[in-house]
Amino acid sequence: EVQLVESGGGLVKPGGSLRLSCAASGFTFSSYSMNWVRQAPGKGLEWVSSISSSSSYIYYADSVKGRFTISRDNAKNSLYLQMNSLRAEDTAVYYCAREGPFGIPFDYWGQGTLVTVSS
Amino acid sequence: EIVLTQSPGTLSLSPGERATLSCRASQSVSSSYLAWYQQKPGQAPRLLIYGASSRATGIPDRFSGSGSGTDFTLTISRLEPEDFAVYYCQQYGSSPRITFGQGTRLEIK
Repeated sequence: EVQLVESGGGLVKPGGSLRLSCAASGFTFSSYSMNWVRQAPGKGLEWVSSISSSSSYIYYADSVKGRFTISRDNAKNSLYLQMNSLRAEDTAVYYCAREGPFGIPFDYWGQGTLVTVSS
Repeated sequence: EIVLTQSPGTLSLSPGERATLSCRASQSVSSSYLAWYQQKPGQAPRLLIYGASSRATGIPDRFSGSGSGTDFTLTISRLEPEDFAVYYCQQYGSSPRITFGQGTRLEIK
């Protein structure tokens, strides 16, 4: 069974940093591109970042470029999101999501981890 | 950036009725890389449709997708109580690669 479990969320002050993790199981993690998607309270979905299976291709939304860094460790079946210079508008539930095979988009999602940026 | 506009914002229907949700793109969506997701309160989104019209694994056949270019539709042929949720469209074929619509809330009338 495919499982994605996020961790690392919490309360952080503006300007602070946080590192999110996503532990994957039930599939060959090293074969799949992965993504982070966030959802501000009561709002819609916003794609944040993606990373290819071998980390060769990395993309960011303009809203986080230069502040967030996506990475992965295929040996540990883990995806990460390093978030620096956090702002109030980064407050959201952060989901990790797998890109499926053969052009299928986000076929599996984690349960999400809440990041709150507030003084 | 491709902007996706969903309509209506809220749709009020009764179980057993047919639901038609619209997603319009600001420019043509490459190779019909258009998906639909369902999200219930407190849950992660669930993939329903990809490639504009292909159902994801385990999705009932009352869900169907259609469209191409800039106009796409999600149809739920006969609403079940568990179908009342928020639905998002997503395009995943264009730089910055991925954008979502703002969502349509399907509520019980």
